[in-house]
Amino acid sequence: GDSVTQMEGPVTLSEEAFLTINCTYTATGYPSLFWYVQYPGEGLQLLLKATKADDKGSNKGFEATYRKETTSFHLEKGSVQVSDSAVYFCALMGSNYQLIWGAGTKLIIKP
Amino acid sequence: DARVTQTPRHKVTEMGQEVTMRCQPILGHNTVFWYRQTMMQGLELLAYFRNRAPLDDSGMPKDRFSAEMPDATLATLKIQPSEPRDSAVYFCASGLVLGLRTEAFFGQGTRLTVV
Repeated sequence: GDSVTQMEGPVTLSEEAFLTINCTYTATGYPSLFWYVQYPGEGLQLLLKATKADDKGSNKGFEATYRKETTSFHLEKGSVQVSDSAVYFCALMGSNYQLIWGAGTKLIIKP
Repeated sequence: DARVTQTPRHKVTEMGQEVTMRCQPILGHNTVFWYRQTMMQGLELLAYFRNRAPLDDSGMPKDRFSAEMPDATLATLKIQPSEPRDSAVYFCASGLVLGLRTEAFFGQGTRLTVV
């Protein structure tokens, strides 16, 4: 079945560092791919999405490119801030219209 | 600003009591998801509905959990009887599924503690 694998956390970085959180997937067909962010005590919020190969989703300085050849959707940001500290979830929606979630990666940014 | 509304935000109850969690999806959305989040298991799908019909509730313990959508503006998740292991944050999400170009909008969750 469809699945999503993302790098384990926590990931700890200093402010202004470059961020990469890896996400790979397995799916039949052409899923849509998402990154969600969860701040402490909050629900999940959509951060960005991509619906077809080579699409780049971007929001709030974060970017991710849908790479079908490597079945990846890595999240990147050039310069992180303390306020980016949160848990990040990679997800896909496949042919059965269910959302398949990665385990989440906790990001800690130190001033 | 459309949003998914969940009530209550927090619930503390004694083991054996009935718990009902409510969700108001975003108007016009045709799909509702119920998730449970714990430190150990992460995010688990309990059930989801399309056009108010249950499509999949295989993630839900059938003997004590039930999920319904009595109308398009209300989804409920009920636990009877509740147990300490049910302590978790329960999220409702809604979405408009038209092909694959969709996303889920989450409520703020109900934090359930069963003592």
